[in-house]
Amino acid sequence: DSGVTQTPKHLITATGQRVTLRCSPRSGDLSVYWYQQSLDQGLQFLIQYYNGEERAKGNILERFSAQQFPDLHSELNLSSLELGDSALYFCASSVEGRSYGYTFGSGTRLTVV
Amino acid sequence: GNSVTQMEGPVTLSEEAFLTINCTYTATGYPSLFWYVQYPGEGLQLLLKATKADDKGSNKGFEATYRKETTSFHLEKGSVQVSDSAVYFCALSDGSYDKVIFGPGTSLSVIP
Repeated sequence: DSGVTQTPKHLITATGQRVTLRCSPRSGDLSVYWYQQSLDQGLQFLIQYYNGEERAKGNILERFSAQQFPDLHSELNLSSLELGDSALYFCASSVEGRSYGYTFGSGTRLTVV
Repeated sequence: GNSVTQMEGPVTLSEEAFLTINCTYTATGYPSLFWYVQYPGEGLQLLLKATKADDKGSNKGFEATYRKETTSFHLEKGSVQVSDSAVYFCALSDGSYDKVIFGPGTSLSVIP
């Protein structure tokens, strides 16, 4: 157990729908990162939150949004889903500072049918 | 911008063979360097790291040395096992809000 908890582990939904993925960071970590992993595009950085505030944005679609709550858990909202959104979505957390690296959760596998 | 390049996979080795996975990076300043491993069906795990030039990171028999002159951080293991079969990601953190940039990953299969 890495200490980063992601739910649900699997999600199957239809095109056009909206889903919410949840992440609880490791105890003491203030930063949360979301990544999308697909076969054709590898590991893509989506967005980072630090202590409740958005800090960095990557290749995140406008149909996607995220937030970090006062208890530091984070949610990634994906709407108007398309077949191409099918992927593994990972959350990671870290202590601030460039030398620490990330602790990853086990991911949510999203399948859009 | 900052980036990480890894050797193309997949890499297939026999058990007890020597492993090298090449990694080079482009970054300004003095990034920290990492290797992550992803076993089938799991999330990424930090394997080892190095935070300054000439540092050697090591863990579970794997080693990598931070070479600033060649901007490289090659992963090595003297004798691989079947259980080492996984995808290996080289990564760097350049200090910009501790964001980590990942390479594309190298798939390793070790056969008995």
